[in-house]
Amino acid sequence: KQEVTQIPAALSVPEGENLVLNCSFTDSAIYNLQWFRQDPGKGLTSLLLIQSSQREQTSGRLNASLDKSSGRSTLYIAASQPGDSATYLCAMSVTGGSEKLVFGKGTKLTVNP
Amino acid sequence: EPEVTQTPSHQVTQMGQEVILRCVPISNHLYFYWYRQILGQKVEFLVSFYNNEISEKSEIFDDQFSVERPDGSNFTLKIRSTKLEDSAMYFCASRVDGRQPQHFGDGTRLSIL
Repeated sequence: KQEVTQIPAALSVPEGENLVLNCSFTDSAIYNLQWFRQDPGKGLTSLLLIQSSQREQTSGRLNASLDKSSGRSTLYIAASQPGDSATYLCAMSVTGGSEKLVFGKGTKLTVNP
Repeated sequence: EPEVTQTPSHQVTQMGQEVILRCVPISNHLYFYWYRQILGQKVEFLVSFYNNEISEKSEIFDDQFSVERPDGSNFTLKIRSTKLEDSAMYFCASRVDGRQPQHFGDGTRLSIL
């Protein structure tokens, strides 16, 4: 069964700190991995997509890495800001089928001014 | 930037009634999905749709659920006879192809009384 786990469930940091969010997954037949941001009561905003053949992707202050052999992905946020406060979701799709996404439960990030 | 739009944003319905949730995917996208998120839980896959037919569905997507793409723009999810446990946020998503990210709408909050 495909499972995605995100630890910790919640994280609180002071503004300006660099931080890492962790995601682990069980299926080695991963097709790609997508990181999302979810604000309370809102939809999911796609942040980064990493194909299984890639090791990392960068967008502004965000860097996501993928290690298929260990079943892990990390999302690195540089110089965190209060506006980064949100829940960050990791989701994997596997080869074959419809490439549906299997989600983790998320890490709720609070950046304190 | 093009986006996925969902209506209504909030739907309140009596148990046993039929509901139709509507989505307008991004115009050049070919793959369509419905997910749901029960309060405090993970985002769960319901169904995927491609080339005018269901490509994959989850165990949740039983005979009470159906999807339709009645014209070139709308994508709907119908729940025939709602139950209390159908209360959740329902998200529509679309993508161009498997190598591109899935883009999500802001969701419809469905409350069953």
